[in-house]
Amino acid sequence: ETGVTQTPRHLVMGMTNKKSLKCEQHLGHNAMYWYKQSAKKPLELMFVYNFKEQTENNSVPSRFSPECPNSSHLFLHLHTLQPEDSALYLCASSPRRGPENIQYFGAGTRLSVL
Amino acid sequence: LAKTTQPISMDSYEGQEVNITCSHNNIATNDYITWYQQFPSQGPRFIIQGYKTKVTNEVASLFIPADRKSSTLSLPRVSLSDTAVYYCLVGGVDTGRRALTFGSGTRLQVQP
Repeated sequence: ETGVTQTPRHLVMGMTNKKSLKCEQHLGHNAMYWYKQSAKKPLELMFVYNFKEQTENNSVPSRFSPECPNSSHLFLHLHTLQPEDSALYLCASSPRRGPENIQYFGAGTRLSVL
Repeated sequence: LAKTTQPISMDSYEGQEVNITCSHNNIATNDYITWYQQFPSQGPRFIIQGYKTKVTNEVASLFIPADRKSSTLSLPRVSLSDTAVYYCLVGGVDTGRRALTFGSGTRLQVQP
């Protein structure tokens, strides 16, 4: 148990659906991250939030829309996804933004796009 | 950003000590070295972090030579449950506060 909770753990959606992934942490951290991990590939950083403000967007397609209403919650809104978007989506948090800060990861949401 | 190079895979047997070396020739003065462990279908888990010399915690040791151009993660007496991917990350304030990129990591397979 890392203190970072992701829901749902598994999600199957069609290409025309709209769904949201949720991440919650009560570690008192101020930075939160979304990562994508496709099969047998390294983790890809998608978005970074620091004190609720988005600080990094690594050229992620607009069909992925993040939302950070407060420092404890992070959402990833999904719409009109493609089959190649099927992957493990991981959320992480750290005390502050910056690579020297240890990141705590959730268990991930396994997404399948049909 | 300091680029890291690790072996793609390693094999070991239960009870052995495993050493995974990471090369980071262009490490910056303020960079830290951090190692994570990832099991299949789970998020990475922090193992250890260091800046120089040696750091030890309850699960691993991290050896960093004086020039800091490499680091070695040492796992004492591995068990089957240590089979995982291990990532070496290098970065600090000089990276402009950007989050680090996870590389391909080292896939460790522990045999009985």
